[in-house]
Amino acid sequence: QKEVEQNSGPLSVPEGAIASLNCTYSDRGSQSFFWYRQYSGKSPELIMFIYSNGDKEDGRFTAQLNKASQYVSLLIRDSQPSDSATYLCAVMGNRDDKIIFGKGTRLHILP
Amino acid sequence: ETGVTQTPRHLVMGMTNKKSLKCEQHLGHNAMYWYKQSAKKPLELMFVYNFKEQTENNSVPSRFSPECPNSSHLFLHLHTLQPEDSALYLCASSPQAPGELFFGEGSRLTVL
Repeated sequence: QKEVEQNSGPLSVPEGAIASLNCTYSDRGSQSFFWYRQYSGKSPELIMFIYSNGDKEDGRFTAQLNKASQYVSLLIRDSQPSDSATYLCAVMGNRDDKIIFGKGTRLHILP
Repeated sequence: ETGVTQTPRHLVMGMTNKKSLKCEQHLGHNAMYWYKQSAKKPLELMFVYNFKEQTENNSVPSRFSPECPNSSHLFLHLHTLQPEDSALYLCASSPQAPGELFFGEGSRLTVL
């Protein structure tokens, strides 16, 4: 059973600080990793994807992947109240069409 | 506006009713998906269609019946549902399966 684990939170971070969201996965053969943001009452929205070990930066967002440790994280710099949402980690293997989601981490940015 | 449109946005049905959820994507993608989202549970993949062919049925009960007439349209036919089927049903598309998912706004289903 492939699993994706996230701390459900809520994670409270002061405005302007760095928010760090973490995710671990069980399938060592996983190849692609995604972060989705879901505002309350809305559908998930893709914000980052990463395929290779290391860091990938896009504006205030940085995705970090460590395949040896089966660990992927999302850093949000200069956190804003508008970043308050649930962040879903999703993992795709290389053998099938399935994208497995974690339960999500609820992030609350304190003004 | 994500380019993936779902109707209806809200649906209330009895256990003996038959209803359908509709999804349409305007992104030119070749793969479409149905996901179920329940409180405190991860998104659950239900069905995958790639180039109109069903490539995944994730052990979904037969009371849920998908239909994909073309790469732009996807339906989920519902009949004799149970109260535990109440959830948010999300349609998504991607350029190909598997791939980056673009979600619709979802259909909130309540089964009485």
